[in-house]
Amino acid sequence: NAGVTQTPKFRVLKTGQSMTLLCAQDMNHEYMYWYRQDPGMGLRLIHYSVGEGTTAKGEVPDGYNVSRLKKQNFLLGLESAAPSQTSVYFCASSYDRPANTGELFFGEGSRLTVL
Amino acid sequence: GNSVTQMEGPVTLSEEAFLTINCTYTATGYPSLFWYVQYPGEGLQLLLKATKADDKGSNKGFEATYRKETTSFHLEKGSVQVSDSAVYFCALIQGAQKLVFGQGTRLTINP
Repeated sequence: NAGVTQTPKFRVLKTGQSMTLLCAQDMNHEYMYWYRQDPGMGLRLIHYSVGEGTTAKGEVPDGYNVSRLKKQNFLLGLESAAPSQTSVYFCASSYDRPANTGELFFGEGSRLTVL
Repeated sequence: GNSVTQMEGPVTLSEEAFLTINCTYTATGYPSLFWYVQYPGEGLQLLLKATKADDKGSNKGFEATYRKETTSFHLEKGSVQVSDSAVYFCALIQGAQKLVFGQGTRLTINP
């Protein structure tokens, strides 16, 4: 059972470089999310999607873009990476709104370092 | 906005010890509350939840009771095992889409 898969799992970038994190889920979930986790802080929502072709901003969207061209994939892009974007990124999906179930299914995380 | 505060970690216990991880929240109204767990090398997964005041969530020997009087949702387990070593996150729902997480508490159980 693959569940939620994130690639790459580790990446080192230089300031100003761009990259894309890919999240893929095989559970036919409508809702998908990107969070970031920083030391001493909880997970913070970057962007989310409530279905194919939709995206919305979360709590900390600046410096990131997302796309949901296919239901199973949710891409997170950094156009010009900054050291402040050094973090662990988590993708999650759910079959229903969190307000109804509260259950998100998470990937293993992607550790990004920006030098 | 809503927020969640967890006890500082890391927490280290011996096998079969009693576990409490404190979680308090600030919220408008009475949102659903959750505990998530992240085992080494894995993503977060839902451990238990409570959807209204005085509800008790339980799973895998863990329990947490939604206490509106003290705005708390402490996680407890009577006898921990080495396999319980993980990072535990308290969370609440805000709006329709957003889960607000605490900072996480790392738990290590020694044999």
